[in-house]
Amino acid sequence: KAGVTQTPRYLIKTRGQQVTLSCSPISGHRSVSWYQQTPGQGLQFLFEYFSETQRNKGNFPGRFSGRQFSNSRSEMNVSTLELGDSALYLCASSLTSRGGNWYGYTFGSGTRLTVV
Amino acid sequence: TQLLEQSPQFLSIQEGENLTVYCNSSSVFSSLQWYRQEPGEGPVLLVTVVTGGEVKKLKRLTFQFGDARKDSSLHITAAQPGDTGLYLCAGSENSGGSNYKLTFGKGTLLTVNP
Repeated sequence: KAGVTQTPRYLIKTRGQQVTLSCSPISGHRSVSWYQQTPGQGLQFLFEYFSETQRNKGNFPGRFSGRQFSNSRSEMNVSTLELGDSALYLCASSLTSRGGNWYGYTFGSGTRLTVV
Repeated sequence: TQLLEQSPQFLSIQEGENLTVYCNSSSVFSSLQWYRQEPGEGPVLLVTVVTGGEVKKLKRLTFQFGDARKDSSLHITAAQPGDTGLYLCAGSENSGGSNYKLTFGKGTLLTVNP
């Protein structure tokens, strides 16, 4: 089955611009999470969406936002880009059983954002 | 905020050697996962451990969850060049349910030389 698809793979933007990243989860996965990965901080949690609702949010400024559509596809947006926003942005989808068991994340390959 | 510390940060060994990577926290996690990430790709889930003292084996990889569920280790026997990658541990604050927020360690970058 198809994995988690993130587009675009690479992006170069200028300071002050905004950017939208897209994520298509594995079919049947209703939870989509976003992480930022940098060499200095590692993976940091941005937010998680389930059935079009944001369930969890990390400690990032309001410039970082996201949404989820009825087909579980998700987008994240970063406005007023700063040099420090350069990072690998990873999307992960996950599945929950009826009993509430969680089977872990399946990550996409990420979008490499460079802000110049 | 729960923190996970991984050690060592970098590890370079020869093919055939054994190694152990550690993941420690002062907090209790309901479950802990190990991922491996290769350059240019997202992390891939290797294992999830849930019960204190639990040991899981995946071919040459052995994962252990501490009795108090605050620490974990990954042991690789007879490492091969294909084991090269960034190994990440991640703790979950809830056991299933509705909270899928993971806290990740910064990783151990393993290089296995032929």
